[in-house]
Amino acid sequence: QSALTQPASVSGSPGESITISCTGASSDVGSYNLVSWYQQHPGKAPKLMLYEVSKRPSGVSNRFSGFKTGNTASLTISGLQAEDEADYYCCSKAGSSTFSYVFGTGTKVSVL
Amino acid sequence: EVQLVQSGAEVKKPGESLKISCEGSGYNFLTYWIAWVRQMPGKGLEYMGIIYPGDSDTRYSPSFQGQVAISADKSINTAYLQWSSLKASDTAMYYCARRGFCTGGYCYEDYWAQGTLVTVSS
Repeated sequence: QSALTQPASVSGSPGESITISCTGASSDVGSYNLVSWYQQHPGKAPKLMLYEVSKRPSGVSNRFSGFKTGNTASLTISGLQAEDEADYYCCSKAGSSTFSYVFGTGTKVSVL
Repeated sequence: EVQLVQSGAEVKKPGESLKISCEGSGYNFLTYWIAWVRQMPGKGLEYMGIIYPGDSDTRYSPSFQGQVAISADKSINTAYLQWSSLKASDTAMYYCARRGFCTGGYCYEDYWAQGTLVTVSS
């Protein structure tokens, strides 16, 4: 299982929109609509931001949205805010075994 | 209030054994899967495995099968992650998390503990 590929860093100014890509393979992202996204602030535990590609858990801002095309999923943050500065990780089911998931390499989002 | 609290940081030598813990409170510990996640220094997240404390049903990620042991003691609402012989490459932050947000047959983490830093060095 290879990690999903994300850009190392993405930056934007407050109020702008940014998109983070997450590229996998036909055996993971391409096969399942089970892509989730986690936000991790420095020194903190991760937080679930999106699940099943584009669904938001209760309490997550609607500024966060997601979609998937083929083997690539994406997370878009609209109306970028200072508090959005964090690391973001995608995660996908990868294979039919009962517990087989792969995370992305992670993307550092900077708010300029 | 749901809480997960992990045991404190550990400094070990290669070859030593280690067992770290994750105690849950504020909810029915037996009925939610607990996940263990590794984060090596400056690196990304990796699922290690999950356990259902009610019956100790355990599933490992392929990369960690045989490398660690996950267990639980339901009498004290505690899950464990154990190594029999540590390596320097086991140096990492380890998180436990409750997979409490479930939909469509799949579950996601809704509560996380603070993490346990394990340092393995000679």
